[in-house]
Amino acid sequence: AQSVTQLDSQVPVFEEAPVELRCNYSSSVSVYLFWYVQYPNQGLQLLLKYLSGSTLVESINGFEAEFNKSQTSFHLRKPSVHISDTAEYFCAVSDRSYGGSQGNLIFGKGTKLSVKP
Amino acid sequence: DAGITQSPRHKVTETGTPVTLRCHQTENHRYMYWYRQDPGHGLRLIHYSYGVKDTDKGEVSDGYSVSRSKTEDFLLTLESATSSQTSVYFCAISLRGGNTEAFFGQGTRLTVV
Repeated sequence: AQSVTQLDSQVPVFEEAPVELRCNYSSSVSVYLFWYVQYPNQGLQLLLKYLSGSTLVESINGFEAEFNKSQTSFHLRKPSVHISDTAEYFCAVSDRSYGGSQGNLIFGKGTKLSVKP
Repeated sequence: DAGITQSPRHKVTETGTPVTLRCHQTENHRYMYWYRQDPGHGLRLIHYSYGVKDTDKGEVSDGYSVSRSKTEDFLLTLESATSSQTSVYFCAISLRGGNTEAFFGQGTRLTVV
């Protein structure tokens, strides 16, 4: 079964500094990959996704993630963070072999990003 | 926001009582999911549905049952609530399953005392 490992449970960083949130998944089979963000007392929102094509995907608010098949990783990066980026970030994977039907999302345990002024 | 409504948003109940949480969607998405979120565990799938009356178990289904009699409603029932079921419960929907974006509700905070 698929599993997702988010290597850091908490990441404190100063405003305008770069950040990388790490995500590794367990299987080398073809997968779909997602990053979700959760702001305090809210549900999760999709940040970005990799389904196929270019291995580098970007979000509208400056985050990017790169799919690395050989390392089974999908790390999330931002070159300069803002206070408003403070949130919990979840990496998720879905197994392609289910054809996108019963390939349910498996989530990592989350990384809390804390941006300090 | 996607049209997902969870009710109630907060509930406190006693051990041993039955509890039903409701998820209602207005998006006509085929797939619906119930997750629980606990500190240090992330989100774990309880049950999911891939159509009316079609449901299946997730990772942590023990002690929970679900029903989906209409496309728009997905009910999660705790037959006899236990303290270990104190959690935040999220409903999610997706159009075509694992290769499409999942949209999440605002969550239900359940406390079992």
